[in-house]
Amino acid sequence: DAGITQSPRHKVTETGTPVTLRCHQTENHRYMYWYRQDPGHGLRLIHYSYGVKDTDKGEVSDGYSVSRSKTEDFLLTLESATSSQTSVYFCAISRAGQLYEQYFGPGTRLTVT
Amino acid sequence: ELKVEQNPLFLSMQEGKNYTIYCNYSTTSDRLYWYRQDPGKSLESLFVLLSNGAVKQEGRLMASLDTKARLSTLHITAAVHDLSATYFCAVEAQGGSEKLVFGKGTKLTVNP
Repeated sequence: DAGITQSPRHKVTETGTPVTLRCHQTENHRYMYWYRQDPGHGLRLIHYSYGVKDTDKGEVSDGYSVSRSKTEDFLLTLESATSSQTSVYFCAISRAGQLYEQYFGPGTRLTVT
Repeated sequence: ELKVEQNPLFLSMQEGKNYTIYCNYSTTSDRLYWYRQDPGKSLESLFVLLSNGAVKQEGRLMASLDTKARLSTLHITAAVHDLSATYFCAVEAQGGSEKLVFGKGTKLTVNP
């Protein structure tokens, strides 16, 4: 257990609504990641962070923004949700001392209607 | 741009049989990972492969890495129903930040 929690775990929202997902870790890891998982696509990286206030884009970053004001929290924001953003969102941390394995949170299922 | 391909994407097998899942990647990489995901659950780390010729085994699963061929295999020996899950390989992208590129996953169903 890498001490990763995500909130909310489930959310239904309407098109055009802003949505923020939270990832919280308890082990002070430097690297944090947001992925989305869709059938037929595996996991795709949205954004990642390599330290407080240090973030960068991943493969599918359009329509998403992130913030990291504290080591333990990494927030993913959908500024104006669209139906194409209906997905399962996973947060992950990378354990530098353990071969940089990534450990995943429980996931957030987001439905945009 | 790093691309990771897994095959097969779907695999139905009988208990007691052996089979192999393949993971090909397009550019040089230092690390390859295998994960397991049960339906409705998160991903669980299975193996980390770091060098050419690396082999790791856990129970009925054995993973290997050939960096020259840019190929990793996940071999299943004498499958049991509990191995039914989706298996992902992931390859570290070059350029730092420990970014991973995932294959699309192989959904394994082991039938009694």
